[in-house]
Parts: sequence; structure tokens; C-alpha cells
Amino acid sequence: QVQLQESGPGLLKPSETLSLTCTVSGASMTATPYYWGWIRQAPGKGLEWIASIYYRGGTHHNPSFERRAALSMDTFNHFFSLRLTSVTAADTAVYFCARHPATVLTDWYFDVWGRGTLVSVSS
Amino acid sequence: QSVLTQPPSASGTPGQRVTISCSGSSSNIGSYSVNWYQVLPGTAPKLLIYKNSVRPSGVPDRFSGSKSGTSASLAISGLQSEDEADYHCAGWDDTRKSVIFGAGTKLTVL
Repeated sequence: QVQLQESGPGLLKPSETLSLTCTVSGASMTATPYYWGWIRQAPGKGLEWIASIYYRGGTHHNPSFERRAALSMDTFNHFFSLRLTSVTAADTAVYFCARHPATVLTDWYFDVWGRGTLVSVSS
Repeated sequence: QSVLTQPPSASGTPGQRVTISCSGSSSNIGSYSVNWYQVLPGTAPKLLIYKNSVRPSGVPDRFSGSKSGTSASLAISGLQSEDEADYHCAGWDDTRKSVIFGAGTKLTVL
């Protein structure tokens, strides 16, 4: 049974770069076609999709994060990562990693999630 | 303000049937499928319904989804105390070229 676990710094200062890692266990990242993505939830707000990376390396972004978010993956070591540059207080949120089947873009749904990691941005 | 509109709260007593709505437009629900997620603080969100009405393996048949026009609904029958959680609808939006989520509905089991 596939499980995802986020890890990250917890606290950053404005203008710094957020780096998060999602470790995948219980399944190969390349055995079947999946995307691996990041979603966040700011305090008191709804969920917000950030970006996803295909198991072969292509990426899709929420246009709101196109300039600031970069994804990478290491299938051999079973993890994928998010880098979000120039963070502000508005980036304070719980960040989730999730898997979604490689269906047509408009049919995406996230079938496995991590528990999330809280990231706070404060000076 | 979320593109997909959900009521902020809903409630019911054990055994009751509760429905949570999700209202959108022709650029999202009207054209594409809707998914529903259950979110409990400190736990991994759970996929409840995908492609409007399909339940993943392991999700009880007390949960059902439907869609009509630019609105979708999640119904929970035989309400149980462990159903107390936040429920979010989601889907693709053509205008924003992105997956979008509703703001969530907090379900309270009285």
C-alpha cells in the first residue's frame, strides 16, 4: 500500500526559498503511470493545487505558481520535491503531497495523500 | 473566494442522511467531472468520490456523489460520528487552467 510522507523546514523568513520533499513508500514511482503533486491549505482557506510531475519527468503547474514553483523527482530513491521561491506570509500553509493517476488533465483526481507538513513564513 | 461554492457548514444526527452541495459554472463543473475529498486535521486527506459518482475501493457505500449541470452533490447516508470532518469538492477549471477546490464544508455530527 503506497504511503506518502512530507518533510520540510517548518519555518522560513520572507524572501527565502521553501524546499519540501515527499518520500514514497510501498510502491514504485515508475511501475504504473502516475503524476506526483503538491497541494496546500492556508489557515482558514480551501485546498490549492500547486503543481504535479509526471513519473517520466514532465510537469504541470497551477498558473498562479508557474514562476515560483519547481518540481523534481528521484525515482531511484523514491522521493519527489517542491521548491517555492520568494516566499511571503501568504505561503503559510499545510503542504500536502499526493499521487494522481495519469488520466487526461481535466479528469485528474488525487487518490493517495500524505498527512501534510505545516510551513510558516514569518520574519 | 473559491470558484467552487460550498456551504461552510452542515450537520446531522447519527443515522441521518446529509447532502453537501458544490456549485460552479460552465468552465468547471458544467464541463468536467467532480471529485470529493474528506479532510480531518492531522490526517491524510481521503478521496471519497471521483468522476462525479465513482467510489474508490474501501469507501463505504454510504457515500455517494452526483452531478447535474453546473452543480454537484455529496450525500452521506447513515451518518456516523466518524464522518465529522471537512469535505471538499474539486475539479478542473478551463478559465484558470488548473485543478480547483471548493473552500470546504465542515460537517458536524450532533
